Amino acid sequence: ETGVTQSPTHLIKTRGQQVTLRCSSQSGHNTVSWYQQALGQGPQFIFQYYREEENGRGNFPPRFSGLQFPNYSSELNVNALELDDSALYLCASSWTSGFTGELFFGEGSRLTVL
Amino acid sequence: DAKTTQPNSMESNEEEPVHLPCNHSTISGTDYIHWYRQLPSQGPEYVIHGLTSNVNNRMASLAIAEDRKSSTLILHRATLRDAAVYYCIPSGSARQLTFGSGTQLTVLP
Repeated sequence: ETGVTQSPTHLIKTRGQQVTLRCSSQSGHNTVSWYQQALGQGPQFIFQYYREEENGRGNFPPRFSGLQFPNYSSELNVNALELDDSALYLCASSWTSGFTGELFFGEGSRLTVL
Repeated sequence: DAKTTQPNSMESNEEEPVHLPCNHSTISGTDYIHWYRQLPSQGPEYVIHGLTSNVNNRMASLAIAEDRKSSTLILHRATLRDAAVYYCIPSGSARQLTFGSGTQLTVLP
């Protein structure tokens, strides 16, 4: 079984631009969560998608949006990029949305905003 | 979310046991205690989770205090590969995990 894969691994954008990050969940998982990890800090929950619907959101503005596709892969879109959006963006998948067990994380996409 | 307190850093010698403490005095009765670790340049990795009883798996053991206000992650024989940031996360589900600052574990050869 394949693990969680994310693309791109690194990218550089300028302030005001838009970015799309992609995630392929682990085989058989129907729930995807996105986290933002600033340098030196723990990951912060952005939102979760379950069966193509947003199913919970952290304290992030609407310019952070997402999609989940029928094959359970997912995208994170960030509009009007700000310097503080520079971070590692992590995708995690799991069997169900209310699951209490293991989340499987990808290695992340490192975004730098200049 | 329950507030957690973990040491900023700990050191251990290779092949010795490591006990990583976590205080979570405001934990609710239905919160599980999840532990994740994050190796350098990688995403977090699940270690173990439990509710009330002590738990063991191939990676580690989790000892939960009787009043559930604290827990200890036990690595039985630390290896260099165990050097990572360890996060203790009380949560009712894995739906939305609130990561704190964690404990940076250094393993000395």
